[in-house]
Parts: sequence; structure tokens; C-alpha cells
Amino acid sequence: SAVISQKPSRDICQRGTSLTIQCQVDSQVTMMFWYRQQPGQSLTLIATANQGSEATYESGFVIDKFPISRPNLTFSTLTVSNMSPEDSSIYLCSVSGGSYEQYFGPGTRLTVT
Amino acid sequence: GQQLNQSPQSMFIQEGEDVSMNCTSSSIFNTWLWYKQDPGEGPVLLIALYKAGELTSNGRLTAQFGITRKDSFLNISASIPSDVGIYFCAGSGGGADGLTFGKGTHLIIQP
Repeated sequence: SAVISQKPSRDICQRGTSLTIQCQVDSQVTMMFWYRQQPGQSLTLIATANQGSEATYESGFVIDKFPISRPNLTFSTLTVSNMSPEDSSIYLCSVSGGSYEQYFGPGTRLTVT
Repeated sequence: GQQLNQSPQSMFIQEGEDVSMNCTSSSIFNTWLWYKQDPGEGPVLLIALYKAGELTSNGRLTAQFGITRKDSFLNISASIPSDVGIYFCAGSGGGADGLTFGKGTHLIIQP
């Protein structure tokens, strides 16, 4: 499976600011996804990052709050905008080579104060 | 939206015991996946199931895709201390779809 890295691994941010999270894969992949895992909870899909076009967002998530870029087949970014304490979560990217299997990065642990 | 009911929520077992957990859905999935998440890490894929009725093994792990495509179970035989963690089931409608996750089963092993 692909090696997936995320930067930063963790951060503490003040409310009202924005943080951009990077996801890098060591090989080209067809699909990239972004998930949120709130403290002690399961994973929830935020959006599918589409290469060369706008991301596809799930119900409850909007582009103004979570803008996503995917400039090529190995890289994507997720920005958490105008943060509030409710945005404190683990943010994870996952990748798929076109099969149904998805592989996850290590996650970015965000705390908003 | 789709929801997955995963049970049990937590399990306290003795080392060497067998473990069983399951997931049910209100909707049909084309793929069932089982993941394990250790503290501070991302989920790691354990088993993927593609066909209704399919039974797949990976070492001490065995998983089955329910015949109705609305459920799946995961069994772990002869548990060892490194099996401790949170196990998640996940369903997918297709290759381009994101995953819907269950709430997780916390496995705690008492020596």
C-alpha cells in the first residue's frame, strides 16, 4: 500500500485563525478523501478531493469552511477556516487506487483554544 | 444518510480468548472493510470484503460479508496483547465513494 504523510502532525491554534493541512502520497492515486474524527468518536467523511476540479462535499460540510485543493495525483490540502473550539479534532486523509480499499494517513491533531 | 450500528461498544477479555464483533446497516453496501486504530495513529486496514456471503481470513482474523449486504462480522481468535485498540467497520457503495464508519469497538485485554 502507499505511504501517506500528513503535515503538521499536530497543532494548537487560536479561534478565528485558519490552518492548512497537507497530505502527500508516495505514488499516484486515483482518489483522495478527507475525514474528521472528533474526540472519542468515529470517522466522518468531509469531502472527496478531485484532481483538477472542485471537491465534492458531504452534507454538513461546506467549501467556505473546509476549502480543499488537489493540484496533482499525489498531493492534497485541507484548510480549516475561521476555527472555533468545536473544530478540535483529528483530520485524516485517505487514498484509494480505484479499488474499494482506502488507506489512511497518520492524522493531524488540531486543538483550537 | 447511511448509518452503521457496531457492537459491542467495548469488550474486556482475557488474553487467549476469541473475540467477535459485528456491524449492521440500514442500507446495502457493495464493500465492507474492517480497520484497527491504535492511539495517536490513523486506521489500518485489516480485511476488505467484496461479495455477499464472502468469508475472508487474515491470520487470526476472520470476517464475513453478510448475505443481505447489510451486515458483517469480525472474529479474532486467540487474542494477544497487541490486539488492543479500536476496531471500526466501514461500508462503501463504490470505488469513488467515501466510507461510512461504525462507532467502533474498544478491545481491552486483561493479562
